[in-house]
Amino acid sequence: QKEVEQDPGPLSVPEGAIVSLNCTYSNSAFQYFMWYRQYSRKGPELLMYTYSSGNKEDGRFTAQVDKSSKYISLFIRDSQPSDSATYLCARPRQGRGSTLGRLYFGRGTQLTVWP
Amino acid sequence: NAGVTQTPKFQVLKTGQSMTLQCAQDMNHNSMYWYRQDPGMGLRLIYYSASEGTTDKGEVPNGYNVSRLNKREFSLRLESAAPSQTSVYFCASSAKGVWSLRGETQYFGPGTRLLVL
Repeated sequence: QKEVEQDPGPLSVPEGAIVSLNCTYSNSAFQYFMWYRQYSRKGPELLMYTYSSGNKEDGRFTAQVDKSSKYISLFIRDSQPSDSATYLCARPRQGRGSTLGRLYFGRGTQLTVWP
Repeated sequence: NAGVTQTPKFQVLKTGQSMTLQCAQDMNHNSMYWYRQDPGMGLRLIYYSASEGTTDKGEVPNGYNVSRLNKREFSLRLESAAPSQTSVYFCASSAKGVWSLRGETQYFGPGTRLLVL
């Protein structure tokens, strides 16, 4: 029951643009989501956590969950060439038990910001 | 503090050869994971270890074995490599390995690029 879907892109925008990256999910029981950023030839790193109600802001980045439409979004304001990376949404495995700490990842969206 | 380290960085194998990918973390984390990443497929979990002494299958375990050697080290072995195992392999770790609604941050290594001819 992976149920986190992501458009792989690629997405190409000019420097300074507002970027919107999106994932969808199908189970309204999911409450927490994460965004990971992966630079080329590097491992993913956590960018932000977000909860199923409201927005979370961190500098130029805003994570938003729309529970009614089951949409997870990451907005990047004033995008920079250094934001060029693949962005992956993720959700923790639901339920208790021995399969602890697992995450399910979307396929990732490749973003290029050109100067 | 190196975080998660992986060796080798790159490897070429012939079909049928075996190899072991090494992973180590110095963050005193309980849980460790092996993923593979293929174009268009995202990150897929191969095996994980919730704590020292335990291992469990993930989504795509066929053709792989793992060993949690101690708390720091988690290795992935390909006994008889196949071209379908050409991929980038990532090791990750997380602190507690306990269930939480919020989930745990996973810390990734730099990856091993494997080409099977």
